[in-house]
Amino acid sequence: EAGVAQSPRYKIIEKRQSVAFWCNPISGHATLYWYQQILGQGPKLLIQFQNNGVVDDSQLPKDRFSAERLKGVDSTLKIQPAKLEDSAVYLCASKGGRFEQFFGPGTRLTVL
Amino acid sequence: QKEVEQNSGPLSVPEGAIASLNCTYSDRGSQSFFWYRQYSGKSPELIMFIYSNGDKEDGRFTAQLNKASQYVSLLIRDSQPSDSATYLCAVTFMGYKLSFGAGTTVTVRA
Repeated sequence: EAGVAQSPRYKIIEKRQSVAFWCNPISGHATLYWYQQILGQGPKLLIQFQNNGVVDDSQLPKDRFSAERLKGVDSTLKIQPAKLEDSAVYLCASKGGRFEQFFGPGTRLTVL
Repeated sequence: QKEVEQNSGPLSVPEGAIASLNCTYSDRGSQSFFWYRQYSGKSPELIMFIYSNGDKEDGRFTAQLNKASQYVSLLIRDSQPSDSATYLCAVTFMGYKLSFGAGTTVTVRA
């Protein structure tokens, strides 16, 4: 069974630029999550999708972050414009019928 | 008050010893509790979960839950150098949201 795929793995941009991350969950997993993990901290949930609907986006900074999950499969997370404090690892996770969330390898974003 | 708090660490233990990790949580209604292991530069992987008060053992790992005290712990017996990682406590919040602690970094000295 293939795991959660994410791309790119690394991204360096300057502040005020825009960036997009892509996630392909495990086949058949209805629930998809985007987390932000700042160095030295635990992952923080940004948004949760159930199929192509948003379950929770209460911690998503909507003035600059957006996310979509068209057709209930792949998902993209966008930041526009980026700030220095957005430097972090962005983790995508998916969950099927059981309780366990499976994490992708993450995208390490550096904002200069 | 943070939703999930872990002992700050780092924790250094000799090979073969027991590593003890602690976690407290604020939502008295939390029902599900997880321990994730995260190697440096890697993504978290689930190693233990527990729902009921008491102990749950899986190999060298034992999770302990006390809902009355809002406390969950992880014991790693016979610690190995390969156990050196950051351990994240995660608790369901508001019934479905997973809230993570900041993690405790464990180093096992050979």
